[in-house]
Amino acid sequence: AQSVTQLDSQVPVFEEAPVELRCNYSSSVSVYLFWYVQYPNQGLQLLLKYLSGSTLVKGINGFEAEFNKSQTSFHLRKPSVHISDTAEYFCAVSRGYQKVTFGTGTKLQVIP
Amino acid sequence: DVKVTQSSRYLVKRTGEKVFLECVQDMDHENMFWYRQDPGLGLRLIYFSYDVKMKEKGDIPEGYSVSREKKERFSLILESASTNQTSMYLCASFEGGEGSGNTIYFGEGSWLTVV
Repeated sequence: AQSVTQLDSQVPVFEEAPVELRCNYSSSVSVYLFWYVQYPNQGLQLLLKYLSGSTLVKGINGFEAEFNKSQTSFHLRKPSVHISDTAEYFCAVSRGYQKVTFGTGTKLQVIP
Repeated sequence: DVKVTQSSRYLVKRTGEKVFLECVQDMDHENMFWYRQDPGLGLRLIYFSYDVKMKEKGDIPEGYSVSREKKERFSLILESASTNQTSMYLCASFEGGEGSGNTIYFGEGSWLTVV
């Protein structure tokens, strides 16, 4: 079985400050890893994904994430956040389409 | 770009009513999903379909059924709506297979309130 843990349900951060949203997963086999963003009253949009290769993955809107196999983590980072980054962020792990598991989400609140 | 369209954004239904939530995708994906999203619980898979007329239960299928008569359309059915089914429902389709992006694409969601 696989699972995803997002340790922080809410993360407040001042505008232009850096942010890290944490994600840990557990799986007995190799997985694919994803971060999705959900803006208010909208569906989920893919932010970035790790399938294989370089462990540092760059996504849209200046976000990046690093896959750390030894720590089973896939933390999301942005060096300088903007008000428009206020949203809920979901980490997900997949072994294929039938086994996609989402975390419970982290709400990022950017404070002016 | 992949487009997943959910026909109703906001619905209010009475307890016991039959409810249909419709979803259409335009990228010829074989795999489609229905999720339910609740605060603090993240996304939970209700049903998924990997081909026309094929379906499998997800993690929380009780109280729901699905229909997939055409490849592009996947419907979620609440046979007799109850208040505990008040939630946001997300439809998604999947681009998978060797060399693909292995990415799920979501619709904008349907907010269902059962009173």
